[in-house]
Amino acid sequence: ETGVTQSPTHLIKTRGQQVTLRCSSQSGHNTVSWYQQALGQGPQFIFQYYREEENGRGNFPPRFSGLQFPNYSSELNVNALELDDSALYLCASSLQGAGINEKLFFGSGTQLSVL
Amino acid sequence: QKEVEQNSGPLSVPEGAIASLNCTYSDRGSQSFFWYRQYSGKSPELIMSIYSNGDKEDGRFTAQLNKASQYVSLLIRDSQPSDSATYLCALEEAGGFKTIFGAGTRLFVKA
Repeated sequence: ETGVTQSPTHLIKTRGQQVTLRCSSQSGHNTVSWYQQALGQGPQFIFQYYREEENGRGNFPPRFSGLQFPNYSSELNVNALELDDSALYLCASSLQGAGINEKLFFGSGTQLSVL
Repeated sequence: QKEVEQNSGPLSVPEGAIASLNCTYSDRGSQSFFWYRQYSGKSPELIMSIYSNGDKEDGRFTAQLNKASQYVSLLIRDSQPSDSATYLCALEEAGGFKTIFGAGTRLFVKA
């Protein structure tokens, strides 16, 4: 167990709807990264939050947005859902700081299906 | 060119054999490299990290890094059916903040 929890585990939405996914980081970690993993593909970086600020973003449109809270938990919001948004969404927590190499600890993921 | 390239497999080896998984990358500035294992329907879990050229051993696993050739590999000795999974090669982007993953290699270990 990594100590990273995600909710919900499964979600079914229809095209055009909005969704919020949640993640609780491992104790002591200050960074959360979100990834999208389509079937048969590797995880694709969506964005990262460090100390409540977005610290970098991958090649995803603005309808993907996020938040990190003072307790380092995080949310991923996706607006105007499209069929291609169907994927496993992974949250990973890590400890970022001087001299620390960033190993990711993943939650169990949220499987999103868009119909 | 993809940033992290892996052969998608499947790679099939008999139980007890050595499984060899390979990965090439394009970012010459990357310093941190990782291997994650992902069982079907589960999330990735870190099994090895390597930062310097050469070999790093941990139990049945050996990671090898050659920065000049931009090549990372993972050897699994005495392969077991429980090693059957997808292995993801990953690196931390140089000067950046994100970990980039390859598409993964599926490994099957036949009993």
